[in-house]
Amino acid sequence: QKEVEQNSGPLSVPEGAIASLNCTYSDRVSQSFFWYRQYSGKSPELIMSIYSNGDKEDGRFTAQLNKASQYVSLLIRDSQPSDSATYLCAGGAGGTSYGKLTFGQGTILTVHP
Amino acid sequence: EADIYQTPRYLVIGTGKKITLECSQTMGHDKMYWYQQDPGMELHLIHYSYGVNSTEKGDLSSESTVSRIRTEHFPLTLESARPSHTSQYLCASSEAGGRFAEAFFGQGTRLTVV
Repeated sequence: QKEVEQNSGPLSVPEGAIASLNCTYSDRVSQSFFWYRQYSGKSPELIMSIYSNGDKEDGRFTAQLNKASQYVSLLIRDSQPSDSATYLCAGGAGGTSYGKLTFGQGTILTVHP
Repeated sequence: EADIYQTPRYLVIGTGKKITLECSQTMGHDKMYWYQQDPGMELHLIHYSYGVNSTEKGDLSSESTVSRIRTEHFPLTLESARPSHTSQYLCASSEAGGRFAEAFFGQGTRLTVV
């Protein structure tokens, strides 16, 4: 099993809809979780971080973490064409690899007008 | 805004040449990373450093080597470039673990070996 796995996508939603991106993780990655957005040809940029069970909201973005199910998700409300990008889930390791960040393979999101 | 810099941004070089990709950060971060990413593909970790004089190879095997003699500097070297090394190379750094594990990325170096 990959340490961080994104198994949804590519995802296409109409403008104004809610986009839901999902990520599961292994026991080695358990300290903290991050969502990055990467536009084509650009570097990843951090958009959300979450450390505790539950929801965390920031503008149109909501991150959800469920440690019992080892599941983290990102909801984008009122999706805009400018949200079209690859979204990367990342987790911070514990134990002997404390702090090492591991990325999932990414989910391509397309928001069409 | 993150203060992590990569040079050069673009490099076209002939087969067999030795190249060094530079990465510097001014945030005092202990952890630094090198990722390789082909267009439309996922990030692959090729090198990781916990701190000065501490490096390890990543998940993807790479013929490149790295050094970490100073906290702020994490260069990547290819002794003999080949066309298969053509890719984008992204450098990143993070402060520590837990809530501070978030990584900041440089703008990347797009390498083409002809």
